Amino acid sequence: ETGVTQSPTHLIKTRGQQVTLRCSSQSGHNTVSWYQQALGQGPQFIFQYYREEENGRGNFPPRFSGLQFPNYSSELNVNALELDDSALYLCASMGGGTSGSNEQFFGPGTRLTVL
Amino acid sequence: GEDVEQSLFLSVREGDSSVINCTYTDSSSTYLYWYKQEPGAGLQLLTYIFSNMDMKQDQRLTVLLNKKDKHLSLRIADTQTGDSAIYFCAEPPTGGGNKLTFGTGTQLKVEL
Repeated sequence: ETGVTQSPTHLIKTRGQQVTLRCSSQSGHNTVSWYQQALGQGPQFIFQYYREEENGRGNFPPRFSGLQFPNYSSELNVNALELDDSALYLCASMGGGTSGSNEQFFGPGTRLTVL
Repeated sequence: GEDVEQSLFLSVREGDSSVINCTYTDSSSTYLYWYKQEPGAGLQLLTYIFSNMDMKQDQRLTVLLNKKDKHLSLRIADTQTGDSAIYFCAEPPTGGGNKLTFGTGTQLKVEL
């Protein structure tokens, strides 16, 4: 167990809807990253938050947005859902700054299905 | 940009050694990682290696790094059925930072 929790575990939405996924980081960790893992693929970096500010973004459209709260928990919001958004969404937390290669602790993920 | 490649599938018998290979593109990577993902679960960091090392051993796991060929391997000694999972290698971005680029993963199947 990494101490990183995500909710919900599973979610089914229809095209065009909006979804919010939540992540609670490990205690003391101030950096949260979100990844999308399509079936049979490796995780793809969506974005990262450090101390409530976005700190790096991958190749995802603006309808993917996020928030980080003062307690360092985080949300991933996806608007106008498309079928290709169906995936496992993983969050990872780490402590101590924005550089280097500190260990990232992954949550169990939220499985999103878009119909 | 970063690109990480792995073979898709490996099957071994219980008790044998498994070797999972990975090639990466960014020669400036300071660390390289191996993650394990069991069915329906998130990612578990198994081990990592500093780029100035050639080898790192941690119990049954041995990581070998060939910087010249940009080749990374993970050897699991005495493979057990509980080792059946998908294994990902990952590298951080050019110039540092915390975004990880993952390979497509190697599915390890351990047969009795």
